[in-house]
Amino acid sequence: KQEVTQIPAALSVPEGENLVLNCSFTDSAIYNLQWFRQDPGKGLTSLLLIQSSQREQTSGRLNASLDKSSGRSTLYIAASQPGDSATYLCAGGDQTGANNLFFGTGTRLTVIP
Amino acid sequence: EAGVTQFPSHSVIEKGQTVTLRCDPISGHDNLYWYRRVMGKEIKFLLHFVKESKQDESGMPNNRFLAERTGGTYSTLKVQPAELEDSGVYFCASSRGGSLAKNIQYFGAGTRLSVL
Repeated sequence: KQEVTQIPAALSVPEGENLVLNCSFTDSAIYNLQWFRQDPGKGLTSLLLIQSSQREQTSGRLNASLDKSSGRSTLYIAASQPGDSATYLCAGGDQTGANNLFFGTGTRLTVIP
Repeated sequence: EAGVTQFPSHSVIEKGQTVTLRCDPISGHDNLYWYRRVMGKEIKFLLHFVKESKQDESGMPNNRFLAERTGGTYSTLKVQPAELEDSGVYFCASSRGGSLAKNIQYFGAGTRLSVL
């Protein structure tokens, strides 16, 4: 059964720093890997989706990588801003299902002005 | 384009009562998923519809939970009778048909269910 782990559980950085969030998964049979952000009391906002055949995706200051063989994904945030403060979740799309997602418990990021 | 909409945003009921949650997916999305997060745990998959058909309901916890998607549009998730352990946030997500590898799932804001 797929298990997704995110480290660290919480992270505080000063504004302007670059940072990396980590995600590891136990089963490489995934369709894709999605990164989401969740603001308090809100739903999940999709940030990036990396298909299993891809190695990375970029959107603005965000870059996500995927290494299926080692079961790892990272989310790199460049030049962090206070507005980046949120909980970041990674989720693998189950290839034995119909892309139903297995989630990690998230990393709560605080960017200090 | 409207996003995924869930009703109600918060429901407080007593143990033994019935509650029905509703999800309106993005128009034209064939895939509809239900997920749940209970306190302190990760978000977990409940079930998946393709149009009006249940494709996978392996995540449904027990037979007190019933999901429907009439006409392949909106979906409802009924809990009857509700138990204390059913408390949590219920999320709905939808995605287009076609290649699952490319399918971004769009989430609603969730329904917070509190069973007292």
